[in-house]
Amino acid sequence: KAGVTQTPRYLIKTRGQQVTLSCSPISGHRSVSWYQQTPGQGLQFLFEYFSETQRNKGNFPGRFSGRQFSNSRSEMNVSTLELGDSALYLCASSFQGTVYEQYFGPGTRLTVT
Amino acid sequence: ELKVEQNPLFLSMQEGKNYTIYCNYSTTSDRLYWYRQDPGKSLESLFVLLSNGAVKQEGRLMASLDTKARLSTLHITAAVHDLSATYFCAVDTSGTYKYIFGTGTRLKVLA
Repeated sequence: KAGVTQTPRYLIKTRGQQVTLSCSPISGHRSVSWYQQTPGQGLQFLFEYFSETQRNKGNFPGRFSGRQFSNSRSEMNVSTLELGDSALYLCASSFQGTVYEQYFGPGTRLTVT
Repeated sequence: ELKVEQNPLFLSMQEGKNYTIYCNYSTTSDRLYWYRQDPGKSLESLFVLLSNGAVKQEGRLMASLDTKARLSTLHITAAVHDLSATYFCAVDTSGTYKYIFGTGTRLKVLA
């Protein structure tokens, strides 16, 4: 069974630009979560989607948004990029939600210059 | 707000030695997860602990959960260099649909 895939794997953007990251969950998984990982803040929850509905959102500004499609694929968008948005963005999928084990993708390394 | 603390943050140990990583959390939860992360890589699931008293073992690693004490431990037996990585615990609170991760423990096993 294929694992969680994320595209692109690496991204360099300039302050003020926007970026869209994509995540394809494991086949049959309907829950997708996004996390931001930085050396200073560690792993922080961004949002979770299930059947195209956002069920929870972390403490991030409105510049961070996401969505999930009917095939469970998910995208997250960051608008008006700031230097502090440089991070590893991890997507995780699970069968129905966090009550089930989450499987993480390889991540997208975003660098904002 | 649920808080998850790990200690130690850094651990340097000799091959062949035993050690324990601790994960404390602040609110009631029956589900705790341990992950491993190698530098520049994603998170690899190690253990899923779903009830009080749960104990799981894989190779030189053993994890346990005490929900009354809100404590999980990851015990390393006879460490080898390949275990060098950062280890995270994560807690899920029913109905929140999110994991709260601990700070991570960076383990370095010296030959």
